[in-house]
Amino acid sequence: EPEVTQTPSHQVTQMGQEVILHCVPISNHLYFYWYRQILGQKVEFLVSFYNNEISEKSEIFDDQFSVERPDGSNFTLKIRSTKLEDSAMYFCASFKGRNEQFFGPGTRLTVL
Amino acid sequence: DQQVKQNSPSLSVQEGRISILNCDYTNSMFDYFLWYKKYPAEGPTFLISISSIKDKNEDGRFTVFLNKSAKHLSLHIVPSQPGDSAVYFCAALDTGRRALTFGSGTRLQVQP
Repeated sequence: EPEVTQTPSHQVTQMGQEVILHCVPISNHLYFYWYRQILGQKVEFLVSFYNNEISEKSEIFDDQFSVERPDGSNFTLKIRSTKLEDSAMYFCASFKGRNEQFFGPGTRLTVL
Repeated sequence: DQQVKQNSPSLSVQEGRISILNCDYTNSMFDYFLWYKKYPAEGPTFLISISSIKDKNEDGRFTVFLNKSAKHLSLHIVPSQPGDSAVYFCAALDTGRRALTFGSGTRLQVQP
C-alpha cells in the first residue's frame, strides 16, 4: 500500500540554523500538508499546498517557514532560523481529493 | 483554541469489551470528521470518517456516531483488542479549508 515517507526521522540542530525536512507524498495525491506536534500538545496545522502554491497557512507558519515541491515527488519544509520552540514532531500529509489525509511517520526536530 | 475537544485523556478497557471514545466540537462549519490512531514514534493512521450528512458509519470493528445537534461524535470499538492500545485523535474538517483541526487525543489501553 502506498505511503507517505519522511526523512530524516530525527534532526538535531543548533538554534539559528536552517533545517529542511523532506517528505515524499503518495504519488497520485494532489494536496500536501505540514502539521506539527509539540510534545504533550495537539497536532497543529501549519500549511497546505496545492497546484504548486500555498493554499492556506496557519498563524504558526510565519516568514521563517517555507515549503517547496522542487520536483514531481518531494515536498519540503524549510525553517530558516530555528528557535528552541520549533522543537516538535513534524508530520507531512497528503490526500487525493476525498477528505482522508494520510500522514507520514514524522520527523522529530530538536533545537538546542 | 478548543474547537475540537477530547475530554478524556485516557481510557482503560478489558479485551473483548467495547471501547467508546468521545469528541466534542464547537465550530458549526465543520462538515467532515475523522478518527486517527497513533502509536508512539509514528504518524497518525487514518481509521474511519463520517460526513456531517450522516449519523453513523461502520467499518469492521469500528463505528463512528455523529450527533450534529449536540456537536458530539464518538468512536466505538467492538470487540476491543490489545493491539488497539494507542492514542486516538478526533479531527474535524471544514471542507472549504481542508486543514484538519485535531483534538488532544485519548490514550486507550486494552487490558488482556
